[in-house]
Amino acid sequence: QSVLTQPPSVSAAPGQKVTISCSGSSSNIGNNYVSWYQQLPGTAPKLLIYDNNKRPSGIPDRFSGSKSGTSATLGITGLQTGDEADYYCGTWDSSLSASYVFGTGTKVTVL
Amino acid sequence: EVQLVQSGAEVKKPGESLKISCKGSGYSFTSYWIGWVRQMPGKGLEWMGIIYPGDSDTRYSPSFQGQVTISADKSISTAYLQWSSLKASDTAMYYCARLGGGYCSGGSCYGEFDPWGQGTLVTVSS
Repeated sequence: QSVLTQPPSVSAAPGQKVTISCSGSSSNIGNNYVSWYQQLPGTAPKLLIYDNNKRPSGIPDRFSGSKSGTSATLGITGLQTGDEADYYCGTWDSSLSASYVFGTGTKVTVL
Repeated sequence: EVQLVQSGAEVKKPGESLKISCKGSGYSFTSYWIGWVRQMPGKGLEWMGIIYPGDSDTRYSPSFQGQVTISADKSISTAYLQWSSLKASDTAMYYCARLGGGYCSGGSCYGEFDPWGQGTLVTVSS
């Protein structure tokens, strides 16, 4: 029963661009920074974007993040087969005793 | 290199107790919060709670409060997640993750989770 809603899946051909939306509310996305995590098949999640739009060291600039109001978006350009994974948004929610909440997750498929 | 290494897979019966671990290295273990995340088979990520090893300040998700216990032993740089009586519905992969660049103060927390441990698979079956 995640409070952050993502599309179940998105797909595109290699080299193309995909965007993943993450919809929340004023108690979470509206008043906190958003992070994005990538989970490749059979592996642990990895931080992809933090503070809405910052990339950790080693994350290529093909990955970008943005936030507007109570929604956030992850963009992936120059899609590669190695980008096939599940992607989750995450942020803190002040209405749940300072709990961290994850999005429902989006499966990216490279056609 | 900052690293979190978790204990190995466990197979338990309903009603048994269990404690899994997460050992931090490559950084000051007592200066960063450590969180736990559940991922049930084929499902998404669920945040369970977080602990500050420096003083054992602990916060739980309302969904997991009273169901599990989070603790830490700063002398060996290790955080723990434990159950007193497992249920079949506890079958899942469990991850620990460091709250990098963040903190909890009063009723609020800030920051993102990075890095993550490799995960511990817990299977509960009779």
